[in-house]
Amino acid sequence: QQQVKQSPQSLIVQKGGISIINCAYENTAFDYFPWYQQFPGKGPALLIAIRPDVSEKKEGRFTISFNKSAKQFSLHIMDSQPGDSATYFCAASGTGANNLFFGTGTRLTVIP
Amino acid sequence: DARVTQTPRHKVTEMGQEVTMRCQPILGHNTVFWYRQTMMQGLELLAYFRNRAPLDDSGMPKDRFSAEMPDATLATLKIQPSEPRDSAVYFCASGLEGGQPQHFGDGTRLSIL
Repeated sequence: QQQVKQSPQSLIVQKGGISIINCAYENTAFDYFPWYQQFPGKGPALLIAIRPDVSEKKEGRFTISFNKSAKQFSLHIMDSQPGDSATYFCAASGTGANNLFFGTGTRLTVIP
Repeated sequence: DARVTQTPRHKVTEMGQEVTMRCQPILGHNTVFWYRQTMMQGLELLAYFRNRAPLDDSGMPKDRFSAEMPDATLATLKIQPSEPRDSAVYFCASGLEGGQPQHFGDGTRLSIL
């Protein structure tokens, strides 16, 4: 059973556009929601993370929006660049737990 | 720049052979994770350790997989005997107390023929 559901599976965006990736979860014990970026041949790298006490977190062009009541969170990439082309994973972890449950990934392609 | 180091980066071997993958966590990190990544299953947690003690290995096929931390600077994942379905990229990640954030290595790409 997939603990974190991610969509879309793939996304093509024009340079300068906004990329939006969505995730949903069921376990209300989750309290840490990171996004990872993975380039081919590399391991996932932490991009940005949020805890449920805030509804939004912004770091540069990357923003997480969090809706606790809907149990959904999303990643917004503003002014998308070709260098952002990668696979993005959302994940979730619970209080006192160490392990992350990952979404299935979104392959983002930014067209010049 | 501290990073998780995994060796080997690539491994091709025949079915039935023993495979050992190694991971050097970031110095000072006391939580170490092993993941497997495949196209079909995505990223799956196999096992994790805190202070070298295994906390959870429920994601690991017990009959052929084993994970250990001989010391704080080395984690190993062993498959014996290997099977073609074990072909995947295996990632190690490490973190501080509490586990988050997790820092990943660049993986071992394993192909079992």
